[in-house]
Amino acid sequence: DVVMTQSPLSLPVTLGQPASISCRSNQSLVHSDGNTYLNWFQQRPGQSPRRLIYKISNRDSGVPDRFSGSGSGTDFTLKINRVEAEDIGVYSCMQATHWPRTFGQGTKVEIK
Amino acid sequence: EFHLVESGGGLVQPGGSLRLSCAASGFNFNDYYMDWVRQAPGKRLEWVGRSRNKIKNYTAEYAASVKDRFIISRDESRNTLYVQMNSLRPEDTAIYYCARDDGGTYGGWGQGTLVTVSS
Repeated sequence: DVVMTQSPLSLPVTLGQPASISCRSNQSLVHSDGNTYLNWFQQRPGQSPRRLIYKISNRDSGVPDRFSGSGSGTDFTLKINRVEAEDIGVYSCMQATHWPRTFGQGTKVEIK
Repeated sequence: EFHLVESGGGLVQPGGSLRLSCAASGFNFNDYYMDWVRQAPGKRLEWVGRSRNKIKNYTAEYAASVKDRFIISRDESRNTLYVQMNSLRPEDTAIYYCARDDGGTYGGWGQGTLVTVSS
């Protein structure tokens, strides 16, 4: 199975400051169809996952534009431009290029 | 907007069985692949299994960790996805989510249902 490794696992942030989460895979996530199926999900405390980003950098409707995704191959990043209080929670990357789908360990974003 | 609502979780002894349900609404249930994903306490999300769509005869696929113990099925008339979990182990303790596959991504998740396997 493809191993997804996130860092850091804990991210204390100051409101209004940027934050960045790394996600690395042990195999290229470029699919034979040319797409890279790398997703980011947010889990607010006590809630189920909510998709933020799909195919590396496509933001879901309703997701604030302070969230952005980037990367290629095996190395991906989720950035939050200016962290707001509602952004606290756990962020997980997931690859859907290879079977079975696998997730990163999750990064807990908390306010300093 | 579509909705997924899981139910059926609870406390069960090791070796016991439980059936979870996921009621879907707001989309054509038969057209979509549907997955079960779980999250054990303090662990990462883990894909459990899949029900393909009607065109694919609702065939199922399973993670190695649950194969031969879990059975995924659907009831078209009720727009409901199921997972029958047998021979449960303490390591199956988790929140179980159903999620709709939107081609390389999950477009939506249910709220989850907690399964606790303990004596």
